Amino acid sequence: DQQVKQNSPSLSVQEGRISILNCDYTNSMFDYFLWYKKYPAEGPTFLISISSIKDKNEDGRFTVFLNKSAKHLSLHIVPSQPGDSAVYFCALLGIQGAQKLVFGQGTRLTINP
Amino acid sequence: EAGVAQSPRYKIIEKRQSVAFWCNPISGHATLYWYQQILGQGPKLLIQFQNNGVVDDSQLPKDRFSAERLKGVDSTLKIQPAKLEDSAVYLCASSRGGRGETQYFGPGTRLLVL
Repeated sequence: DQQVKQNSPSLSVQEGRISILNCDYTNSMFDYFLWYKKYPAEGPTFLISISSIKDKNEDGRFTVFLNKSAKHLSLHIVPSQPGDSAVYFCALLGIQGAQKLVFGQGTRLTINP
Repeated sequence: EAGVAQSPRYKIIEKRQSVAFWCNPISGHATLYWYQQILGQGPKLLIQFQNNGVVDDSQLPKDRFSAERLKGVDSTLKIQPAKLEDSAVYLCASSRGGRGETQYFGPGTRLLVL
């Protein structure tokens, strides 16, 4: 029973265009939402986050959108750059209890020159 | 600031053997996590320590996996005996410990069980 789903295993985008990565969740008991980026042979690195009281958070080229009614989270990267090629994971934090992150399966983003 | 250190980076063992992984978190980070990442999946939390106490080990297969964090700093994760399905990357992460604090990940240990 997967609580967090990233339905696109891979995404290919032209350099300079917008990249949109999506994440859906089933449980309403999450209140903090994060995106991590992972390069090969490295651990995930934190990219951007949003709390459930907001619907948008922007940091430079990266914007995260949260639609609580649809239980949907998205990450927009604009403009996309070759260095953005990586695997992106959404990760959700539950309202109660320990700081346990529940990760999606990841989306491999490839930016083509 | 030094990041999270893990060793070894790679390990190949045969099934039924035992293996141990080591993690040194970022200095001053109270919370330490061990995750298992199977190929094609996202990381899954195995165990979480707050200082040297266990906060969550609900997804740790306790019949074969064990972990400890002596003195609230370094941690070791052990598998004994290993099964084929334990082949994965084992990631260690640490955070300051407050709610919503960023978790910083180490490079991981890639384990292959033959």
